[in-house]
Amino acid sequence: EPEVTQTPSHQVTQMGQEVILRCVPISNHLYFYWYRQILGQKVEFLVSFYNNEISEKSEIFDDQFSVERPDGSNFTLKIRSTKLEDSAMYFCASGGAGNQNTQYFGPGTRLTVL
Amino acid sequence: RKEVEQDPGPFNVPEGATVAFNCTYSNSASQSFFWYRQDCRKEPKLLMSVYSSGNEDGRFTAQLNRASQYISLLVRDSKLSDSATYLCVTGTASKLTFGTGTRLQVTL
Repeated sequence: EPEVTQTPSHQVTQMGQEVILRCVPISNHLYFYWYRQILGQKVEFLVSFYNNEISEKSEIFDDQFSVERPDGSNFTLKIRSTKLEDSAMYFCASGGAGNQNTQYFGPGTRLTVL
Repeated sequence: RKEVEQDPGPFNVPEGATVAFNCTYSNSASQSFFWYRQDCRKEPKLLMSVYSSGNEDGRFTAQLNRASQYISLLVRDSKLSDSATYLCVTGTASKLTFGTGTRLQVTL
């Protein structure tokens, strides 16, 4: 069964450093998403991406965040200057052409900002 | 008001019990509805989509009431492996909105 993959599984960084989280969506999917979950809290939407542009973004997704689909398979989330409060689990998700509302999640990257 | 509201639980039930999860949502523009399950420190996994006509998948039955903006999930004959957090989720074309989840613990 095809699945979304994410790397790394755990990233530790110093405050102020840039991080890039990587995702490989399901191969025939066209819609891509990033969510985050702070420990003990609910899953929160960050951004959706379709046809090489952002479809929607949340208030969390400020100028420090960016997304990119650099090639036909990868989808990345960059945080330019990390803050302590960026520590969370970051989930990538993808949705198919027929029903983009159904999203399948990757295993997540745990980001720890020190 | 929270966009998607659920009782956080935990619900502690014996194996074989029937358990019901309920959820309300506030965004009337929501187009799609789901139940996901999340195991501790893992990703959300799609359990089932929810339709107004009601739908069933094995021991799981989901129901949507658009008029009252209410979603339910019934789990029959609970198994130990059903222990997880059950997430009520609404969707639009661009994003999913999650509830905080209801934790279920099934015991022997």
